[in-house]
Amino acid sequence: GAVVSQHPSRVICKSGTSVKIECRSLDFQATTMFWYRQFPKQSLMLMATSNEGSKATYEQGVEKDKFLINHASLTLSTLTVTSAHPEDSSFYICSASGLAGGLTYEQYFGPGTRLTVT
Amino acid sequence: SQQGEEDPQALSIQEGENATMNCSYKTSINNLQWYRQNSGRGLVHLILIRSNEREKHSGRLRVTLDTSKKSSSLLITASRAADTASYFCATDAGGGGKLIFGQGTELSVKP
Repeated sequence: GAVVSQHPSRVICKSGTSVKIECRSLDFQATTMFWYRQFPKQSLMLMATSNEGSKATYEQGVEKDKFLINHASLTLSTLTVTSAHPEDSSFYICSASGLAGGLTYEQYFGPGTRLTVT
Repeated sequence: SQQGEEDPQALSIQEGENATMNCSYKTSINNLQWYRQNSGRGLVHLILIRSNEREKHSGRLRVTLDTSKKSSSLLITASRAADTASYFCATDAGGGGKLIFGQGTELSVKP
């Protein structure tokens, strides 16, 4: 089946630094990738939609200058949290949709990245 | 924005019992999906039901969809301790392939 990986799985950084999270589709080409954020005991909140080769589309209330998204290839999207602060500590999950499933409305989710900002 | 609501928020049952979770949404959809999430892990896709379907089965899972009431239910029969997880519904109401997730139900199955 379609596999999506994320790296790192867990990261701790100091306040003010930037952190990059990678999302890769391992066995299919992902034309679209999505980035979600999930706080403890809460649901997934869509942050942005990323299409290969074009600028990401951010959801209302998500700062595009703080959460930089790059979808440079059909198998890789990155999310960079710039100048991270403790309130950015969260579980970040990516998903990818593309040719693997043959369905435009099925997304394959990565295992998530736990970000802790101290 | 989150448009789905799920109830109950938490459900605790004994192994062998059935678990029913409900999901409501606000706008028209083409399909609704259910996912499972073990604590601190990614999502596992369980089942997709299209707007023209009323019921769908997959193993011990049964999903219903009532588009007139804008609601769906997930039934897990003969639950097992391994079913302990959070369950989320998600609709395609966001358009462009975006999924809108419900608040989730935290299921605990006690052995």
